[in-house]
Amino acid sequence: AAGVIQSPRHLIKEKRETATLKCYPIPRHDTVYWYQQGPGQDPQFLISFYEKMQSDKGSIPDRFSAQQFSDYHSELNMSSLELGDSALYFCASSSRTGGTETQYFGPGTRLLVL
Amino acid sequence: TQLLEQSPQFLSIQEGENLTVYCNSSSVFSSLQWYRQEPGEGPVLLVTVVTGGEVKKLKRLTFQFGDARKDSSLHITAAQPGDTGLYLCAGAFDFGNEKLTFGTGTRLTIIP
Repeated sequence: AAGVIQSPRHLIKEKRETATLKCYPIPRHDTVYWYQQGPGQDPQFLISFYEKMQSDKGSIPDRFSAQQFSDYHSELNMSSLELGDSALYFCASSSRTGGTETQYFGPGTRLLVL
Repeated sequence: TQLLEQSPQFLSIQEGENLTVYCNSSSVFSSLQWYRQEPGEGPVLLVTVVTGGEVKKLKRLTFQFGDARKDSSLHITAAQPGDTGLYLCAGAFDFGNEKLTFGTGTRLTIIP
């Protein structure tokens, strides 16, 4: 079965640079969630989209923005990167119209800011 | 802000023993999911529970959802070394807006 795809899997950036993380949800899933997981911590919700519209916002810095495109893939744009942004970033997808919104996670993007 | 407490944080037991991991909240879950996560990888779904009192089994793993939908447990029977890993419970609190709040996780080690 197709799973959530994230790219790139690894990313190294310098402080103050920008980064774009991509997420391709499971086919026919209409909702995408972004989470950030720091070292030794549990994943923290950043932002979510349903049918290409932002549906909820969590602890996402103003330096970050995201969107969901017509093909349902999503991109997380991160600007003015800081050392503290180094983390694993996960995308999850679900089918809100399918009933119970079980979220399936991608393999993550490991971002390292130097 | 909904808080989700998971216990124990660390558990190390001998192969063949049984164990239970708990997940508790003061708020009612609209749904709760259990995941297992390997280092550097994404959480892998084990089960979703929705109905109060629901019990689901996945081989040697039994998941229970409290009647009031505020707590859940994961019970592993006859633990094996392959069960070693990080187990996370994650709850959604709003119907129709199911962002997940994660517990702190239980790092399980099964000693052969």
